[in-house]
Amino acid sequence: DTEVTQTPKHLVMGMTNKKSLKCEQHMGHRAMYWYKQKAKKPPELMFVYSYEKLSINESVPSRFSPECPNSSLLNLHLHALQPEDSALYLCASSQTGKRGPNYGYTFGSGTRLTVV
Amino acid sequence: GQQLNQSPQSMFIQEGEDVSMNCTSSSIFNTWLWYKQDPGEGPVLLIALYKAGELTSNGRLTAQFGITRKDSFLNISASIPSDVGIYFCAGPGPSGGATNKLIFGTGTLLAVQP
Repeated sequence: DTEVTQTPKHLVMGMTNKKSLKCEQHMGHRAMYWYKQKAKKPPELMFVYSYEKLSINESVPSRFSPECPNSSLLNLHLHALQPEDSALYLCASSQTGKRGPNYGYTFGSGTRLTVV
Repeated sequence: GQQLNQSPQSMFIQEGEDVSMNCTSSSIFNTWLWYKQDPGEGPVLLIALYKAGELTSNGRLTAQFGITRKDSFLNISASIPSDVGIYFCAGPGPSGGATNKLIFGTGTLLAVQP
């Protein structure tokens, strides 16, 4: 299995809703990531998990809450979002370590989030 | 902080033409990655470069790691309609430990006219 699976593919939520995005990989990768991407812009890092522990939080507002229940799963809990949070949310995973032929991330297809 | 600037910002070409794009940085990178993103999908890794001067091919794609380690180039030969998408360069950002924090370039949008 060489994929990162994200669900749902599309999500529309109100500003008072609570929802969760899910990400799953079975490649044995111990680093997992959440990125946010606006249209025609590069992905922007939100969170990094390494060995199921949060290692990087790029000053993301607390209305975004990540969770890594085990080495294969990564969740992003959403609460009280704003319309400007509408974007494509990408999950990725990678092997740990800084060099080597498998350095690059494997991305999921993303969740297209619309906040109304 | 580290920034990666790509040029051109967009390209509109005829099928069969060759394409060249580049990525420059204000600081040195030890690894360069090239990704392609189709509409509504996540980025897919095309080529990874690990050594200054390295030239690597993947089918019709060829990428080079600049000698100064501050730039990289991607060429696509004989373009076809499915080459359409946004091409991003990426490199490792400053980080400690074992995590690989990637910084993405500004992207080059490629449109191919059949």
